[in-house]
Amino acid sequence: DQQVKQNSPSLSVQEGRISILNCDYTNSMFDYFLWYKKYPAEGPTFLISISSIKDKNEDGRFTVFLNKSAKHLSLHIVPSQPGDSAVYFCAASALGSGTYKYIFGTGTRLKVLA
Amino acid sequence: EPEVTQTPSHQVTQMGQEVILRCVPISNHLYFYWYRQILGQKVEFLVSFYNNEISEKSEIFDDQFSVERPDGSNFTLKIRSTKLEDSAMYFCASSGTGFGEKLFFGSGTQLSVL
Repeated sequence: DQQVKQNSPSLSVQEGRISILNCDYTNSMFDYFLWYKKYPAEGPTFLISISSIKDKNEDGRFTVFLNKSAKHLSLHIVPSQPGDSAVYFCAASALGSGTYKYIFGTGTRLKVLA
Repeated sequence: EPEVTQTPSHQVTQMGQEVILRCVPISNHLYFYWYRQILGQKVEFLVSFYNNEISEKSEIFDDQFSVERPDGSNFTLKIRSTKLEDSAMYFCASSGTGFGEKLFFGSGTQLSVL
């Protein structure tokens, strides 16, 4: 039951350009979303979040966009840097339903080329 | 910055043996989680724990699994009789108030069942 999907397993981007990572979800009860970055042999590290009452949240080089009608969110990284090369996971939760668990997507491996 | 610590980083065990994975969450956090990632797959929710009891668990978390917070600082995951398919990276996570809070992850325990 893939409630959260990241359809691109990998993405390569030139340094300095924009990276766009996409995430789709099926559960309309999801109301809070997180993006995590993961390096090999490390735990996921939080990047940015967005609540369903917003359609955009920005933090430095990272911006997350949420399109509730399409059940789609995207993470924009600009400008991309070689240190951004990692696996990126989106995660969703239906906090308004009283749950605290997050459902993760399958991840997208980003490679930023110098 | 406070962090979640997990021990051991690697655990090798024989099928049918019991294993205990240990975690020290961030000290003022109230919500605790175990997730796992089978190689190349998504990060999967196992269980959440609050106020000394399980608040949610997934279908993966069957009778072979148990969690405990024995002394107010450690949070453990026990697998009673390991199977080959339990081989995965196990991540512990914690959050402050739970609602809308990001999860802080440990660096994981790689469990290999032979």
